[in-house]
Amino acid sequence: EPEVTQTPSHQVTQMGQEVILRCVPISNHLYFYWYRQILGQKVEFLVSFYNNEISEKSEIFDDQFSVERPDGSNFTLKIRSTKLEDSAMYFCASKWGREGLAGELFFGEGSRLTVL
Amino acid sequence: AQTVTQSQPEMSVQEAETVTLSCTYDTSESNYYLFWYKQPPSRQMILVIRQEAYKQQNATENRFSVNFQKAAKSFSLKISDSQLGDTAMYFCALGADSNYQLIWGAGTKLIIKP
Repeated sequence: EPEVTQTPSHQVTQMGQEVILRCVPISNHLYFYWYRQILGQKVEFLVSFYNNEISEKSEIFDDQFSVERPDGSNFTLKIRSTKLEDSAMYFCASKWGREGLAGELFFGEGSRLTVL
Repeated sequence: AQTVTQSQPEMSVQEAETVTLSCTYDTSESNYYLFWYKQPPSRQMILVIRQEAYKQQNATENRFSVNFQKAAKSFSLKISDSQLGDTAMYFCALGADSNYQLIWGAGTKLIIKP
């Protein structure tokens, strides 16, 4: 069964360092997302990506964040200068079509980021 | 603004019992969708069931069913004949045609005891 894969599963970094989280969405999917979940808190939307550009982003997704789909398969989230409050589980998700969001969103297992 | 509220941080039932997880929401959108996602200890979010707001009939998926009360803005999940594998965090989420993102509740930790 096709699945969304994320790497790394866990990354520990020093404050101020750059981090890249990688995702391989399901191959025929067109819509890509990053969500994050700070420990004990709600899942929060970060950004959606369609047709090689950001379609929507939240207030969390400031200039420190960027996304890229460099080669048609990977979908990356970069945090330029990590802060302590960036520590969270980051989930990548993808879906085939918009269908008014009636289509199923497939999630990866998440990348846990710990900023020290 | 859209909000989703899950008022039960944790629930625990015996195997084979029926359990209902609560979710209320608020939205000004006319066309929206509601979802229940399961997050087992393996961490991956899995879609359990979804409901289009324009449909009056409650969605069902095997042992999982919803009670969608549109006027009350309530969307509860009923799990019948609960199994040990149902142990997980359950998240209620809301989406709308006008945007791409999902709005999530805080989650309910469900523990099925043998």
